[in-house]
Formats: sequence, structure tokens, C-alpha cells
Amino acid sequence: GALVYQYPRRTICKSGTSMRMECQAVGFQATSVAWYRQSPQKTFELIALSTVNSAIKYEQNFTQEKFPISHPNLSFSSMTVLNAYLEDRGLYLCGARDWGGAETLYFGSGTRLTVL
Amino acid sequence: SQWGEENLQALSIQEGEDVTMNCSYKTYTTVVHWYRQDSGRGPALIILIRSNEREKRSGRLRATLDTSSQSSSLSITAAQCEDTAVYFCATDQEGADRLTFGKGTQLIIQP
Repeated sequence: GALVYQYPRRTICKSGTSMRMECQAVGFQATSVAWYRQSPQKTFELIALSTVNSAIKYEQNFTQEKFPISHPNLSFSSMTVLNAYLEDRGLYLCGARDWGGAETLYFGSGTRLTVL
Repeated sequence: SQWGEENLQALSIQEGEDVTMNCSYKTYTTVVHWYRQDSGRGPALIILIRSNEREKRSGRLRATLDTSSQSSSLSITAAQCEDTAVYFCATDQEGADRLTFGKGTQLIIQP
């Protein structure tokens, strides 16, 4: 079956430092990867959408300078949160999709970021 | 209803009861996805209904879609404790490449 492994599951970093999270797709081709942030109230914010061989599209209020994303192949994507501050706290989720297959967005378990 | 300015909604029912969760969306969509999210996990797709379908069933789940009112519902028959989760609807516009999620419904099944 299709799975997405996301790691680390949780991370604590000092204010002003950076952290990187990674997603690995297994059992399908991750043609596109969407990175979301989920608030404690469970609201989803789309950060950016990455499609292999295309430019990464960032949503309003999110920038490449703050959330650089790498999507080098059909099974891997990573995102870094640079200079993390309190407002960056939350659960970061990657959702991967195979545009040649099902319409399902397969999610990893998320990376919970705590900023001290 | 999951969209608009409402916060995460909460529903608490007894085991064995039926429950329906509603979702209204603002822009045209070709597909409505329903996801569940268990504590500490990412969302997982449980049922998907397309714009040319009015109803879709999968086991104890039943999804409906009314494109004229831009609303969808998810019903669970004979709820079980393991159905406890947060349920989200998400829309997927044709030609777009992203899912937009509703604010979710926290469903608690009491034994």
C-alpha cells in the first residue's frame, strides 16, 4: 500500500534556530507534495505545493526564504523552517499525491515543532 | 458545518448511535474528500465523493454531495469507540493541485 513516512515526529528548537523535516513516499510516486501546518485548533494552512520538475508554489504568508523545500525525486521531499520563532509552532504535515494514480493525498504522521 | 468562521466543532455520542457531520464549501469543486485524523497522526482518507455522485457508501460510512448548495455530509452508522477522531472535509477544484480543508469535527464516541 501507499505510505508516507515523515520524520522527525517531534522536535524542539531554540528561538532563532532552524530545523528540517523529511518525507519519504513508499508504494507510489509522489508527483506532488503539499506541506501544511496545522494549528492547535486543528486548522490547516497550506504552506507550499511542490511538483517534481516544476517550480514550488508558496501560499500567501509563506516564503521560500523562510520555508525552503526540496523535492528532488518521486519519493522524497524535505522542508526546513529557518529562524524559527514562537509563531512557527505547530504540526507540520506533508501530503503526497500521485497524479497518475488515485486522487488521494497520503499524509505523513507530522512533525510537531516546539520553539523555546 | 465545517467551513466559515466556526472553530473546530465537537460531537459526543453513545456507542451504537448514528451520526452525521456536515460540510459546506465556498468554491466549485469536482471532488469532496473526507479525512479522519487520529490523535498524533496525520489525516487519512476515508471516503471520496465526486461531483457526479450524490451518494457514496463504504462500510458504515455514507457520504453525500449536493453541488447546488455546495454541501457534503458524512454519516457513520452504529458508531464504535474506534470512530473517535477528528473528521475533515476537503475540496479539490478541477485543474487545481491542492486540497483545501474545513475546520474539522471532533467526534467522540462514548462507551
